[in-house]
Amino acid sequence: GAVVSQHPSWVICKSGTSVKIECRSLDFQATTMFWYRQFPKQSLMLMATSNEGSKATYEQGVEKDKFLINHASLTLSTLTVTSAHPEDSSFYICSAGRGAINSPLHFGNGTRLTVT
Amino acid sequence: GENVEQHPSTLSVQEGDSAVIKCTYSDSASNYFPWYKQELGKGPQLIIDIRSNVGEKKDQRIAVTLNKTAKHFSLHITETQPEDSAVYFCAASGAGNMLTFGGGTRLMVKP
Repeated sequence: GAVVSQHPSWVICKSGTSVKIECRSLDFQATTMFWYRQFPKQSLMLMATSNEGSKATYEQGVEKDKFLINHASLTLSTLTVTSAHPEDSSFYICSAGRGAINSPLHFGNGTRLTVT
Repeated sequence: GENVEQHPSTLSVQEGDSAVIKCTYSDSASNYFPWYKQELGKGPQLIIDIRSNVGEKKDQRIAVTLNKTAKHFSLHITETQPEDSAVYFCAASGAGNMLTFGGGTRLMVKP
């Protein structure tokens, strides 16, 4: 089946530094990937839609300059949390599908970010 | 936009019993309804999905039913096992593959 790999699985960084999270589709090409944020015991909140070769589409309230998304190839999207602050600490998850309308979306295993 | 409500938020069952989780959605244009299982510290795993042209789908101990008229769909797990314990999310999607998730159900199966 489809596999989405996310790296790193966890990261601790200091306030003011930037952190990059990678999301790879291992056995299929993904023109679109999605980035979510999940707080403890809560549902997934869509942050942005990553589009290969074009700008990402951000959900309302998500700062595009804070959460930089790059989708440079059909198998890789990256999320960079810039100038991280403790309130950015969260579980970040990506998902990808094969591209057909309503094709199943598969999720990475998430990245636990802790900003100290 | 789409709004998905999920109930119950927690569910405790005895091993071997059945578990039912229900979701309602607001956008009548939604036509794809997946269910995900999320274990602690991991990403959601797709366990079953259903499209709007089907009323029911079954995969071993898991089944999903869809009532488009009433705009609700349900997950049924039979013969529950301790390893079924996890958080389950329903979701709905229309055009563009953008999923709207329910709030999640924490299922606990007691041995």
